Amino acid sequence: AQSVTQLDSHVSVSEGTPVLLRCNYSSSYSPSLFWYVQHPNKGLQLLLKYTSAATLVKGINGFEAEFKKSETSFHLTKPSAHMSDAAEYFCVVRHGSGNTGKLIFGQGTTLQVKP
Amino acid sequence: DAGVTQSPTHLIKTRGQHVTLRCSPISGHKSVSWYQQVLGQGPQFIFQYYEKEERGRGNFPDRFSARQFPNYSSELNVNALLLGDSALYLCASSPQGVIRENTEAFFGQGTRLTVV
Repeated sequence: AQSVTQLDSHVSVSEGTPVLLRCNYSSSYSPSLFWYVQHPNKGLQLLLKYTSAATLVKGINGFEAEFKKSETSFHLTKPSAHMSDAAEYFCVVRHGSGNTGKLIFGQGTTLQVKP
Repeated sequence: DAGVTQSPTHLIKTRGQHVTLRCSPISGHKSVSWYQQVLGQGPQFIFQYYEKEERGRGNFPDRFSARQFPNYSSELNVNALLLGDSALYLCASSPQGVIRENTEAFFGQGTRLTVV
């Protein structure tokens, strides 16, 4: 069965410092992985997705994620945090067998950005 | 282009009542999925519909049902509401008919349901 584990429920950084949000996945085959962001009282927005074409994936707003098969990880990074990055971040794997297409979400990581 | 639209945005219901939530996918998207997000948790998959047929169901009781219409819009129905049904209900649409591995879902703003 596929699953994702977000290793930190809460991360706090200062504005201008790097961001690291950690995610480990479990999958019996090559996974489809995503990072989504949810701002307060908003829906979910796609930050980036892993497509097997490249292990380093670039997303919107300066975010990146690196797929490491040997470590079963897909950590999200950003070189310099901005106040507007404060939000809930979800690591997601798509259940790939058949065509159900359901998304399996991690528990979420709350990113706090201090001035 | 309009994104995924959901209505209503907020709703308050009493225990035992019935509720219908509505979703219009992005134009051209034929697949619609529903998710429940309880406060402080990640969204949980409820249903997926494609071409008006149910293609996937999550671990939810039979009180939850859904359908998809010829224009690909969708309704989620919940009967005999419980306090625990209070949550943000999210609708997502996807562009391909047969969902491929790396197809992302586009989410609406959600319907906040409060059961009192």
